[in-house]
Amino acid sequence: DAGVIQSPRHEVTEMGQEVTLRCKPISGHDYLFWYRQTMMRGLELLIYFNNNVPIDDSGMPEDRFSAKMPNASFSTLKIQPSEPRDSAVYFCASSFGVGYEQYFGPGTRLTVT
Amino acid sequence: EDQVTQSPEALRLQEGESSSLNCSYTVSGLRGLFWYRQDPGKGPEFLFTLYSAGEEKEKERLKATLTKKESFLHITAPKPEDSATYLCAETGSQGNLIFGKGTKLSVKP
Repeated sequence: DAGVIQSPRHEVTEMGQEVTLRCKPISGHDYLFWYRQTMMRGLELLIYFNNNVPIDDSGMPEDRFSAKMPNASFSTLKIQPSEPRDSAVYFCASSFGVGYEQYFGPGTRLTVT
Repeated sequence: EDQVTQSPEALRLQEGESSSLNCSYTVSGLRGLFWYRQDPGKGPEFLFTLYSAGEEKEKERLKATLTKKESFLHITAPKPEDSATYLCAETGSQGNLIFGKGTKLSVKP
């Protein structure tokens, strides 16, 4: 398996623009997680899905953030409008279930100027 | 509130100098304690899962152990290629993983 795939790897955008991050989980995994990593706050869970259904979005910082999982092999995280404080590395991870190890993608480094 | 604390924040070792990293947790009813390695510019890479006190797991120069309140990652005779940030995580009450902020390990030749 190719592992978790994320795109783009790097994104530079101006404040106010819409940003869409994409993720393809490992085939057969029924849980998908979106995390954000910064130096100050470390790795934070934003939202996770089970069988394409959002289970917990309490980590989504604001209404500017939204996530979807239209099918078992694709998820998006959208920020609209983007702000400089959204600059971070965003990771997608997938797992077989709750309490099992999660496998992470390479991340998307987002810079909002 | 569920919390995972790692210490030290940074550790510098000479090649061959063994040491341990600490991870303490506050979640009651542990459902899994995870160790990950993260290299710069990459996603965390899974190393170990521990489920019960007394459990140990090994991989090359790394050994993870678990007690009722903390876990240790022992590094025996480290090499420069072991340099990375090591993250500890615990399964929270919602089933998600709660990560510590990591220990940045540097091993000098």
